[in-house]
Amino acid sequence: DTEVTQTPKHLVMGMTNKKSLKCEQHMGHRAMYWYKQKAKKPPELMFVYSYEKLSINESVPSRFSPECPNSSLLNLHLHALQPEDSALYLCASSQSGGNQPQHFGDGTRLSIL
Amino acid sequence: KNEVEQSPQNLTAQEGEFITINCSYSVGISALHWLQQHPGGGIVSLFMLSSGKKKHGRLIATINIQEKHSSLHITASHPRDSAVYICAVRSIEDSNYQLIWGAGTKLIIKP
Repeated sequence: DTEVTQTPKHLVMGMTNKKSLKCEQHMGHRAMYWYKQKAKKPPELMFVYSYEKLSINESVPSRFSPECPNSSLLNLHLHALQPEDSALYLCASSQSGGNQPQHFGDGTRLSIL
Repeated sequence: KNEVEQSPQNLTAQEGEFITINCSYSVGISALHWLQQHPGGGIVSLFMLSSGKKKHGRLIATINIQEKHSSLHITASHPRDSAVYICAVRSIEDSNYQLIWGAGTKLIIKP
């Protein structure tokens, strides 16, 4: 069992839908990450929150909107997605920035119709 | 040329064989990570190295900073070791959060 919990595990949505991906960790980690991973490719960093503040936004389209309500939770709000956004979305956390190992969730497999 | 290169891309072996996966990088690093990803998707961090050697169970990771090279070894391999193994480095030039990822090595262990 992973210590980073992501829900839902699978999500199918239309291009006009609004949905949210959720990530939760209770390890006291202060950095949380969203990654996007296409098939047979390494993960691509999307966002980083450090101490509940957005630290990095890797030029991600505005149809992806991250939110960090508290130190344990990280959401990714989705709106008006495109078929090319279909991918595995991984959440990770680490104690802080710097040289700390990242702990990953099992991911949400997202399909856009 | 990718900043992190792994070899081989694919590896199929018989149960019990000794496995070696290699990672070479071209940037100055503060740490190197080895991670495992099973077909279901979840990623597990296996090792974080900045020098020397680490061992956990049947897994051994080594790094040679001068040669900019790391290896991941699996002893007495088992079908449950079948997964994609990914090398990722933290460049000393980049922010504290960025990792530069290798393309991964897909390992299949046959019973």
